[in-house]
Amino acid sequence: GAVVSQHPSRVICKSGTSVKIECRSLDFQATTMFWYRQFPKKSLMLMATSNEGSKATYEQGVEKDKFLINHASLTLSTLTVTSAHPEDSSFYICSANGGASGRYNEQFFGPGTRLTVL
Amino acid sequence: KNQVEQSPQSLIILEGKNCTLQCNYTVSPFSNLRWYKQDTGRGPVSLTIMTFSENTKSNGRYTATLDADTKQSSLHITASQLSDSASYICVVLYNQGGKLIFGQGTELSVKP
Repeated sequence: GAVVSQHPSRVICKSGTSVKIECRSLDFQATTMFWYRQFPKKSLMLMATSNEGSKATYEQGVEKDKFLINHASLTLSTLTVTSAHPEDSSFYICSANGGASGRYNEQFFGPGTRLTVL
Repeated sequence: KNQVEQSPQSLIILEGKNCTLQCNYTVSPFSNLRWYKQDTGRGPVSLTIMTFSENTKSNGRYTATLDADTKQSSLHITASQLSDSASYICVVLYNQGGKLIFGQGTELSVKP
């Protein structure tokens, strides 16, 4: 149980295009989902927190118009990188907590999406 | 400032040997501390989670300890295997807002 999937696992796009990344909780309902970004040899950096049915809360320095987050259902959140530039190339990871979190309020991480912007 | 510091930054050991990774934190208020294993190009996978009242927790060959008084934790890996090569991340759940505070990770390389 407590499996989180991401799609796609890898994406290559041209500068100026938009890319959508999906995060799904497969066997539990996720009241809250988190989006992280990770640069090589660095730790995860929280970008935003999204709660189902409400607007996402973005961390300081993260452009909300650049990184659009939608949490339309209890099992799906999407991150759309709009007008992508090469500096947006990174590893994006989502996590989710909810009914399966238990007393530890555990976050379950997805496998990540490697975005390369040419 | 809420921080999580890990040491060493990287470690190379021979297959079959044991090793211990360290984590010091200044996060307050503290809810729980987790150790994750992250393979290259993959998302983190949980190894152990401990609240302040738990001193030790094991998961197979992985044993984590927690000293909430000194704000230190360690992850001990027994009889290392080649598949243990990964980044090990110490993460503390910040009580306010439920945010995770990540350490920078220890890059472990197990050689045959």
